[in-house]
Amino acid sequence: DADVTQTPRNRITKTGKRIMLECSQTKGHDRMYWYRQDPGLGLRLIYYSFDVKDINKGEISDGYSVSRQAQAKFSLSLESAIPNQTALYFCATSDLMYTQYFGPGTRLTVL
Amino acid sequence: GESVGLHLPTLSVQEGDNSIINCAYSNSASDYFIWYKQESGKGPQFIIDIRSNMDKRQGQRVTVLLNKTVKHLSLQIAATQPGDSAVYFCAEIQGAQKLVFGQGTRLTINP
Repeated sequence: DADVTQTPRNRITKTGKRIMLECSQTKGHDRMYWYRQDPGLGLRLIYYSFDVKDINKGEISDGYSVSRQAQAKFSLSLESAIPNQTALYFCATSDLMYTQYFGPGTRLTVL
Repeated sequence: GESVGLHLPTLSVQEGDNSIINCAYSNSASDYFIWYKQESGKGPQFIIDIRSNMDKRQGQRVTVLLNKTVKHLSLQIAATQPGDSAVYFCAEIQGAQKLVFGQGTRLTINP
């Protein structure tokens, strides 16, 4: 089984809809991250959490919110999706060391 | 602002040859760098890392070189195989475990 899972893997939605992307991990890591990837660009950090009570904005948090329901679960929400939020979304985890482990990604299309 | 970038967006090599992927960084305070491999439809996968107090680190068929004088990082892949085809990202740690990714280089292996 994969250490970091994301659901759904693909999602098509319409402008204005609320969307939630979920991430679960079995690595036992305290730290979790949400990234966005656009064609021709690297990954950009949306939000990160160092433990269940800690939530921090990344470089592109506008239009997004997160919830850390448990050590193993970190969800990303788009309250009112817009077309320029069409992208690949990745969840990642890490322990106290620097290396981050990524999930398989969610491809989101906003029409 | 500070950023991590790649010299070339694409690289084609013959199977069996060595590949060298380059990366420039501008934040001289960064002390940790990671190379990730991203295959089509998958999340980034950790390859190798290096700390700023080192200038070379070797893994299985991969070597990372760090030149702090010119702020340059490279990934060398020995005896390139078809399975090495992917996009390769360098990433830099900038405080609080936040990874800053470069644009990525697509490596294509010619038979």
